[in-house]
Amino acid sequence: QSVLTQPPSVSGAPGQRVTISCTGSSSNIGAGYDVHWYQQLPGTAPKLLIYGNSNRPSGVPDRFSGSKSGTSASLAITGLQAEDEADYYCQSYDSSLVVFGGGTKLTVL
Amino acid sequence: QVQLVQSGAEVKKPGSSVKVSCKASGGTFSSYAISWVRQAPGQGLEWMGGIIPIFGTANYAQKFQGRVTITTDESTSTAYMELSSLRSEDTAVYYCARSYYYGSGTLDNFDLWGRGTLVTVSS
Repeated sequence: QSVLTQPPSVSGAPGQRVTISCTGSSSNIGAGYDVHWYQQLPGTAPKLLIYGNSNRPSGVPDRFSGSKSGTSASLAITGLQAEDEADYYCQSYDSSLVVFGGGTKLTVL
Repeated sequence: QVQLVQSGAEVKKPGSSVKVSCKASGGTFSSYAISWVRQAPGQGLEWMGGIIPIFGTANYAQKFQGRVTITTDESTSTAYMELSSLRSEDTAVYYCARSYYYGSGTLDNFDLWGRGTLVTVSS
């Protein structure tokens, strides 16, 4: 089982807003470590989507946003588009080692 | 534009070892750390370990301790991941990924990824 817990799947219609949660504990997210998010389109390598809890790399639309509170973090996607259909992973640290969430499959209805 | 270019697909027998390479094309990774992340078919991402070349030492996920070795050759800007005692459950795509690091050795986010190397373990 993953150290960070994500819902296996979420879905939404085009134009809607969806959120993906990432729940950890006091030894990882709750210890103050940053949370990063990655998007993985089918058959491709993961791509950095959000870094340092809430920052977007250059080129990532502002429809994507991240937040962190306590032992959890969230990724929000507004104005859902068909091309957002992908797997999303959160990543943080536990005892200074890298840990990933189990991943969430986003389906655009 | 720096790219991480990985070696090609491998087919290995159970009990054998595999060594996958990751070359920084168009630059170096002397200022970065390199990690290896694997993804079994239909499964999520799993961090195996990482190395900070200028420190020369690697950290490994507990699950892979004793079975994985991560090294770098700074003269060719190439990182290597060797996994031994292969079993069918090691069939996966293996990615290298670049990150900055903090003075404590904690890695930052993975801002650049290789395209992956499929390793198939089958008798």
